[in-house]
Amino acid sequence: DAKTTQPPSMDCAEGRAANLPCNHSTISGNEYVYWYRQIHSQGPQYIIHGLKNNETNEMASLIITEDRKSSTLILPHATLRDTAVYYCIVLRPIFAGNEKLTFGTGTRLTIIP
Amino acid sequence: DAGVIQSPRHEVTEMGQEVTLRCKPISGHNSLFWYRQTMMRGLELLIYFNNNVPIDDSGMPEDRFSAKMPNASFSTLKIQPSEPRDSAVYFCASSLRQGTNTEAFFGQGTRLTVV
Repeated sequence: DAKTTQPPSMDCAEGRAANLPCNHSTISGNEYVYWYRQIHSQGPQYIIHGLKNNETNEMASLIITEDRKSSTLILPHATLRDTAVYYCIVLRPIFAGNEKLTFGTGTRLTIIP
Repeated sequence: DAGVIQSPRHEVTEMGQEVTLRCKPISGHNSLFWYRQTMMRGLELLIYFNNNVPIDDSGMPEDRFSAKMPNASFSTLKIQPSEPRDSAVYFCASSLRQGTNTEAFFGQGTRLTVV
């Protein structure tokens, strides 16, 4: 699976959009980009995933560049509850049900009141 | 569904004792993952199962660690004998692939302290 690179930490003002970048320059054609977050002392939580098209759900938007070598997770209106470690993961489904979900070091996002 | 249930939530044990962590995945899910999290090493994948079969145990640190999944609704992670360096939070997660999505759901974790 492709390796990802994320900044170790970021700050964002409450109410503003938080943009979290991720580099995955070695991504291959059949690998998906997943984002999870981990709020302090809790288990990680799925946010969103995509292959090559931009995706949006109730939590966030995912923008993947045309060459797929990088992506950005956008939290449109950050709140204090969004303070967490955010993980970008590139995942290659081997076959149904056998995806090896491994986490890097992530980005520690702090929302400033 | 109550989500992924782990027990106990906290465990304190003496070095050399056997420790068993338990996990009940979400009903209908066919993949189960065990993770260990420490400040130094982050979130490490120890082992994962698909349809109750261990698929990849390359993350299991050594022979003192073993994991089983006797049926679709129960898994255990055992450490025997335990050592202080095993102190960590252990997470269990389960997933079911639906289309291209393999969203994994995590339990609340077991905080293990070995003294």
